[in-house]
Amino acid sequence: QVQLVQSGAEVKKPGSSVKVSCKASGGTFSNFAISWVRQAPGQGLEWMGGIVPLIDSRNYAQKFQGRVSIVADEPTSTAFLELSSLRSDDTAVYFCAARYGSGSYYMFASWGQGTLVSVSS
Amino acid sequence: EIVMTQSPATLSVSPGEGATLSCRASQSVSRNLGWYQQKPGQAPRLLISGASTRATGIPARFSGSGSGTEFTLTISSLQSEDFAVYYCQQYNNWPPTFGQGTKLEIK
Repeated sequence: QVQLVQSGAEVKKPGSSVKVSCKASGGTFSNFAISWVRQAPGQGLEWMGGIVPLIDSRNYAQKFQGRVSIVADEPTSTAFLELSSLRSDDTAVYFCAARYGSGSYYMFASWGQGTLVSVSS
Repeated sequence: EIVMTQSPATLSVSPGEGATLSCRASQSVSRNLGWYQQKPGQAPRLLISGASTRATGIPARFSGSGSGTEFTLTISSLQSEDFAVYYCQQYNNWPPTFGQGTKLEIK
């Protein structure tokens, strides 16, 4: 069974960067397509970007271009989200979400537990 | 990008009754539409993909329908554990986009 386990909560200062990890198990890492979706307090879901490790293809939502980086480390079956130039409105729960096997890269059958990133001076 | 609009924002229903949630896309997404359930403090859970295919382990009381721009999630005979927020999401066009959610609350 596919499982995604994320790193723990982070508290950051405005202007700094944060790196969140997502470790995948229960399948061959190259068969995953992993995205990052965030949810601000009391708000809905917002797709930030994704990576397909098999073809090392990454793409990002226009809103985050220049501030976001998503990478994958195949030996550890882990994907990482790095967000820079943090602002208070980046305070949110960040989820990794994945498709395993066939089908659209963006149909999210599996989710991590979420990582709370708080940005405050 | 495709805008997904869900209605109503909040739906109050008594346990045992049925509920119908709607999702509209700003342009056709064919049948590339998913429904997710999210409970407080938890990650979303996939209920339906391909507009009408239940995900593994999802009870038969959840059903999805629609194609193009109009979609419906129907929950028959609501159980206490069904009261949550429901999101639709299109994955037909890049970028993938979510609706704003429908909160299903106990009446």
